Formats: sequence, structure tokens, C-alpha cells
Amino acid sequence: DAGVIQSPRHEVTEMGQEVTLRCKPISGHDYLFWYRQTMMRGLELLIYFNNNVPIDDSGMPEDRFSAKMPNASFSTLKIQPSEPRDSAVYFCASRNLGGGRGSYNEQFFGPGTRLTVL
Amino acid sequence: SQKIEQNSEALNIQEGKTATLTCNYTNYSPAYLQWYRQDPGRGPVFLLLIRENEKEKRKERLKVTFDTTLKQSLFHITASQPADSATYLCALGSGYALNFGKGTSLLVTP
Repeated sequence: DAGVIQSPRHEVTEMGQEVTLRCKPISGHDYLFWYRQTMMRGLELLIYFNNNVPIDDSGMPEDRFSAKMPNASFSTLKIQPSEPRDSAVYFCASRNLGGGRGSYNEQFFGPGTRLTVL
Repeated sequence: SQKIEQNSEALNIQEGKTATLTCNYTNYSPAYLQWYRQDPGRGPVFLLLIRENEKEKRKERLKVTFDTTLKQSLFHITASQPADSATYLCALGSGYALNFGKGTSLLVTP
């Protein structure tokens, strides 16, 4: 298993443009989390899904952010329009409640997408 | 509001010594606490989990304590090595989501 896969690894865009970040969780994992990490605020939870259904999106900063999980093997985080203050590293993580790879509550993180909005 | 505090100053220690990192929290009653390691340019990697009814957990050179009265966890690395140099994050959970501290940077010098 390749672990959690994120793409792109780096994204540079101009203010006002739409940005789409992608994540493929570990096969068999039933929870998927999107985080944002900055020096100032640390690692913040944006939204998480259980069995492809959004459970808690209270961390999403504003309506410019949206996330979807159309199936168990793919999720997207979209920012439209992007702003310079969205510059951060965005991580996707997955975990399984029972069975499969990983112990209870352990989260497996992807390598992250470094987003720079000019 | 919930607050998780880790020492923002980097911890510098000599190889072979024991490194001790602290995680304090307020306005929170977590059911469990986890520690993660993060290397530059990479995602966090899970190290240990300790539940609210456990006082101490060990894994190889790692030891974690959890004091729900003091609202504090201590993370120890014994016989530290330069390869242990990284940022260590504590994370508190009471359901399926985790709330992370900002992390403490550890530098182990030969």
C-alpha cells in the first residue's frame, strides 16, 4: 500500500484563481480528514468524512472552501477564489475504526500540498 | 475555549540524554492523547496513543505519561540520537477528530 496520496505536492497560483487539492486515502480506511498547517496557527482540522459523508465542517474557514468525497478512494478540497492568506500546507489523513491497517484512532497523513497564493 | 500548549522554544539536548517534551491543555476533557513526529516537508507520523484511564505507556525508547488532574502529558525519549531530531506534536481527541498542539522542535546533537 502506498499510503495516503496527495496531489499536487506544490501549487503556486494567483489571487482569485480556483485551487483544487486531491487526496487518495489508504484503502479500507473509513475516515478522511483535511488539515491546514501554518506557522502561526499550527495544524488545524478543516473537515472530516466518515464513509464518504461529511461529518464536521466547522473548521472550514469560510464559504470559499469546499470539500467533497465522491467515493471511498478520492476526496477534493477546493478554494474559490483563493487569497494570499490561504497559503499553507494542506494535509489529508485517513484512519480506520476497525480492521485493516492501523490501530484504533491512529491517523495516517499524506505528504501534504504546499499552496502559495500570490 | 480549548487550548493545547507545547513549548514553542526548541529543545536542544546532547546525544544519549533523555529528552522530555510537555503538552498542557485547558478547557478540555480528552478521552485519549496521541503523540506524532513530523520531519521537515513531511506529514506527521503517529508514535503513541494513551487513553484517559492510563497513566503511562511505553514503546521502545519512548515513554508517555498522562495526568488528567494536571491536564498534562509528558513525552520522553531515552538514549536520544541525532535521528530523533524532529518536531513532536501532541494531539487530543474525544471522538473521531484530533486537536493538535503546535509542536516542539527537538534537536539532538552528537
